[in-house]
Amino acid sequence: SQKIEQNSEALNIQEGKTATLTCNYTNYSPAYLQWYRQDPGRGPVFLLLIRENEKEKRKERLKVTFDTTLKQSLFHITASQPADSATYLCALPPNQAGTALIFGKGTTLSVSS
Amino acid sequence: GAGVSQSPRYKVAKRGQDVALRCDPISGHVSLFWYQQALGQGPEFLTYFQNEAQLDKSGLPSDRFFAERPEGSVSTLKIQRTQQEDSAVYLCASSFDREYEQYFGPGTRLTVT
Repeated sequence: SQKIEQNSEALNIQEGKTATLTCNYTNYSPAYLQWYRQDPGRGPVFLLLIRENEKEKRKERLKVTFDTTLKQSLFHITASQPADSATYLCALPPNQAGTALIFGKGTTLSVSS
Repeated sequence: GAGVSQSPRYKVAKRGQDVALRCDPISGHVSLFWYQQALGQGPEFLTYFQNEAQLDKSGLPSDRFFAERPEGSVSTLKIQRTQQEDSAVYLCASSFDREYEQYFGPGTRLTVT
């Protein structure tokens, strides 16, 4: 079955730096991959979706890459701010006909001022 | 517009009691998902509805878990004879269609004592 690894449980960076989070998956390559942000006591909030035929996608200070050869997605936050502190979750369908999503454990980002 | 709402936000149940958790999805969203999230983990898929049809219930951990969406809008997740291992946050999400981004509710935190 598909497995997701977000290889840092916690990432601490200084304000203004770029945060880079990694998501690796095993087995088949999904048709798309999503990134979510989750704050304590709240449900996840959708950030970006990238499809298998897209190498890179940007939204404001966020950038996601998708390398189907490496079976990896990188999530970047440029010019990070303390308000970016949260847990970031990578998610993808469990199989080619997948309905729901399987999520990684998440990486908790702390941005200090 | 209103997002996904869930009620109750918190539920304490004695072991053996039945509980019912409600989800109000975004109006017009065809797809509805239930997830279970343990502390420090990503959400884990429980079940999926397309309108009123339950198309995937492969994630339900036991036959004590039952979900319905009789009119294709509001959904209820019912857990019978609750056990301590059922303690978790139960998240509901809706989306325009299954391969689109999902909008999550705030979750119901269930504690079984």
